[in-house]
Amino acid sequence: GENVEQHPSTLSVQEGDSAVIKCTYSDSASNYFPWYKQELGKRPQLIIDIRSNVGEKKDQRIAVTLNKTAKHFSLHITETQPEDSAVYFCAASREAAGNKLTFGGGTRVLVKP
Amino acid sequence: GAVVSQHPSWVICKSGTSVKIECRSLDFQATTMFWYRQFPKQSLMLMATSNEGSKATYEQGVEKDKFLINHASLTLSTLTVTSAHPEDSSFYICSAPKLGRGLSSYEQYFGPGTRLTVT
Repeated sequence: GENVEQHPSTLSVQEGDSAVIKCTYSDSASNYFPWYKQELGKRPQLIIDIRSNVGEKKDQRIAVTLNKTAKHFSLHITETQPEDSAVYFCAASREAAGNKLTFGGGTRVLVKP
Repeated sequence: GAVVSQHPSWVICKSGTSVKIECRSLDFQATTMFWYRQFPKQSLMLMATSNEGSKATYEQGVEKDKFLINHASLTLSTLTVTSAHPEDSSFYICSAPKLGRGLSSYEQYFGPGTRLTVT
């Protein structure tokens, strides 16, 4: 089955700096890679996703890159703000209605004002 | 976006009793739903895939006789934790995939989660 590794497990950045979280996956057939933000006691919220037919996607301060050959993908948050503090999870799946997400271990991000 | 609800949002039960958690897709139909368990400061671990009208598919290490899943309609899946023990205390989250606007890709919609505490 799929295995997703996520690093770092914790990340502390100064407000305004950039944050980068990296994930690797094992299943070369995986083709959908979402990133979720989860606040304490809440459901995961999709913040950005990328499919295997593109290498990069950007949405305002958030960007994701995908290297299919190396089987890794990264989340980049620029100009971090205190409200970006949360736990971030990457995930991978073979995209279809019945295909499950495999999550990385999570990264706890703390943005210091 | 689509909406998935869960009920109850939190429940406390005594050891040895059973607890049922409902997951509903409110504005779309879902032939498949997923149940995850999340322990404090840990990731979401898939427990099982709930299939409408057929048996659920359980992940390795998940006891199917302990975690009963029923997907009786296209909008409702239930997870029953039988003979609950304190180690079953966790945050249980369901999700359901919905076809996107382009009709070529799916997005997972998560329920708000149910916090189970077994005393």
